[in-house]
Amino acid sequence: EAQVTQNPRYLITVTGKKLTVTCSQNMNHEYMSWYRQDPGLGLRQIYYSMNVEVTDKGDVPEGYKVSRKEKRNFPLILESPSPNQTSLYFCASSLTGGTGYNSPLHFGNGTRLTVT
Amino acid sequence: GDSVTQMEGPVTLSEEAFLTINCTYTATGYPSLFWYVQYPGEGLQLLLKATKADDKGSNKGFEATYRKETTSFHLEKGSVQVSDSAVYFCALSWDYKLSFGAGTTVTVRA
Repeated sequence: EAQVTQNPRYLITVTGKKLTVTCSQNMNHEYMSWYRQDPGLGLRQIYYSMNVEVTDKGDVPEGYKVSRKEKRNFPLILESPSPNQTSLYFCASSLTGGTGYNSPLHFGNGTRLTVT
Repeated sequence: GDSVTQMEGPVTLSEEAFLTINCTYTATGYPSLFWYVQYPGEGLQLLLKATKADDKGSNKGFEATYRKETTSFHLEKGSVQVSDSAVYFCALSWDYKLSFGAGTTVTVRA
């Protein structure tokens, strides 16, 4: 089954303790992206990757890191989490991004992160 | 920068009522436009899309038309069901970036 898999689904951590949220897709998609969803703000893009070893900042990249060493994986790293990073996080992938982007995004089921 | 604005919710309707969710966009180029739907506890799913002016996207009884003159992409459904209860997001895509609206929560009562 074609899918985007995120882990974990729920995570509670403390300020400053490094964490990684994993994301994997099995559709051979080139484009992958991370979003955070907050009430009243919709989804905001954190980082995206157009292909292996190619990443770029989205609208809210501060406090996050990503890497794309393999096509299928795109982990999100919080080196020193803070309470304002408490949110619902979604990973998504598509066949290809680009100008006049047509390829729809496939989303994971989300990771609810709480930083205390 | 490019952005979308959609009507605030929540919206509560009775079954078989007509649904409209307004969405307007601001863009410097010629973006593609999308509606995504999020059911409780799940990620977003593509509902419909339009890639150029005057295109009409449709799926599951929902429709939206890309109106360049009014920079709008309003979502409509003629007769909603309880199963249409969800959060709906309008989105715009241009040059590898995808911008979402804030989402509109729709509740349909039997």
